[in-house]
Amino acid sequence: DGGITQSPKYLFRKEGQNVTLSCEQNLNHDAMYWYRQDPGQGLRLIYYSQIVNDFQKGDIAEGYSVSREKKESFPLTVTSAQKNPTAFYLCASSILVGASETQYFGPGTRLLVL
Amino acid sequence: GQNIDQPTEMTATEGAIVQINCTYQTSGFNGLFWYQQHAGEAPTFLSYNVLDGLEEKGRFSSFLSRSKGYSYLLLKELQMKDSASYLCAVTDSNYQLIWGAGTKLIIKP
Repeated sequence: DGGITQSPKYLFRKEGQNVTLSCEQNLNHDAMYWYRQDPGQGLRLIYYSQIVNDFQKGDIAEGYSVSREKKESFPLTVTSAQKNPTAFYLCASSILVGASETQYFGPGTRLLVL
Repeated sequence: GQNIDQPTEMTATEGAIVQINCTYQTSGFNGLFWYQQHAGEAPTFLSYNVLDGLEEKGRFSSFLSRSKGYSYLLLKELQMKDSASYLCAVTDSNYQLIWGAGTKLIIKP
């Protein structure tokens, strides 16, 4: 079965700690995305990648970092510079970046601050 | 700025019809998506409209009017499993998706 997996489902972060959220896809999609979802707000784009070894900042990239060393993988690191990291994080992929390209989402990771 | 407006919450009865509206103001328009999201789960794709008119897909239909910056999602023969949030998203001139906050739909027996 093709799809997107995210791990862990829940993640706890201590003050001053960096944490990394995993995202893997076996859909052979070139484009991958990270979104943050907060209650009462729309999804907000953190970073996206159109191809291996390339990524672009989204609307709220500050305090986050990513890498795209393999087509299948797009991990997101939440750094200690992100002062309000508690949120539901969603990874998505699409064949390409384009107007009609449907994005397919992973099950999400809920990050909580201790 | 860019803005997508949807009602925060709607309630409907099992077996009935409900229409969820979405209005948008974006820098450019390259299509509009509707996604369904059950609580705590991933959004799943429902429909895509780029031309004016109605697209029907089983119990779900989606309508677009580009001149009015308006879309709606029509759900017929409502079932309890349709209780979810419905997200409207517009592709802007940079091919980025701009998301609405979602409409939480509550289905009552």
